[in-house]
Amino acid sequence: GNSVTQMEGPVTLSEEAFLTINCTYTATGYPSLFWYVQYPGEGLQLLLKATKADDKGSNKGFEATYRKETTSFHLEKGSVQVSDSAVYFCALSDGRELSFGAGTTVTVRA
Amino acid sequence: NAGVMQNPRHLVRRRGQEARLRCSPMKGHSHVYWYRQLPEEGLKFMVYLQKENIIDESGMPKERFSAEFPKEGPSILRIQQVVRGDSAAYFCASSPPPSGRKGETQYFGPGTRLLVL
Repeated sequence: GNSVTQMEGPVTLSEEAFLTINCTYTATGYPSLFWYVQYPGEGLQLLLKATKADDKGSNKGFEATYRKETTSFHLEKGSVQVSDSAVYFCALSDGRELSFGAGTTVTVRA
Repeated sequence: NAGVMQNPRHLVRRRGQEARLRCSPMKGHSHVYWYRQLPEEGLKFMVYLQKENIIDESGMPKERFSAEFPKEGPSILRIQQVVRGDSAAYFCASSPPPSGRKGETQYFGPGTRLLVL
């Protein structure tokens, strides 16, 4: 079956630091890959997605590249802000439901 | 265009009572998904529905849980005889009909946080 493994947290950073959250997946076929972000007390918001190998998703300074050869979709941001503090979820879809990683809590300190 | 709406946002029930969670998808979306998030965990798929049809309920507990998406009105997730272990955040997501590609984005509601006393 499909599964997603992402870096365990929590991750604590200072403002303007570089953020990377590792995500690898197991799937049959060629899934779409997603990063969702959850702010405290809220639902999930789509951050970015990629639908085929070598696609790069980007949004709000975040980037992730769909790497089929390493089955990975690592999330990166070059300079984080306090407002980026949230829980980040990597997910995959084979066309129906999403399979999520366990989430990585990121805290950015001023 | 309003997003996915869920109500109530918070629900408190005593053991043995029933919980009804509602989800109104985004306008134009005919597919609804329910997920459960236990404390400190990721989201787990429960059920996938389209109007008047359950497409996939492989993530739904076999007993006490049911879901529907009638022709008119919101999708309902119903939990009968709740137990403490049902305490969680329940999220609904919607998407347009699959277009044959795998990239359809699911849009999430704010969730219902169920607390069973």
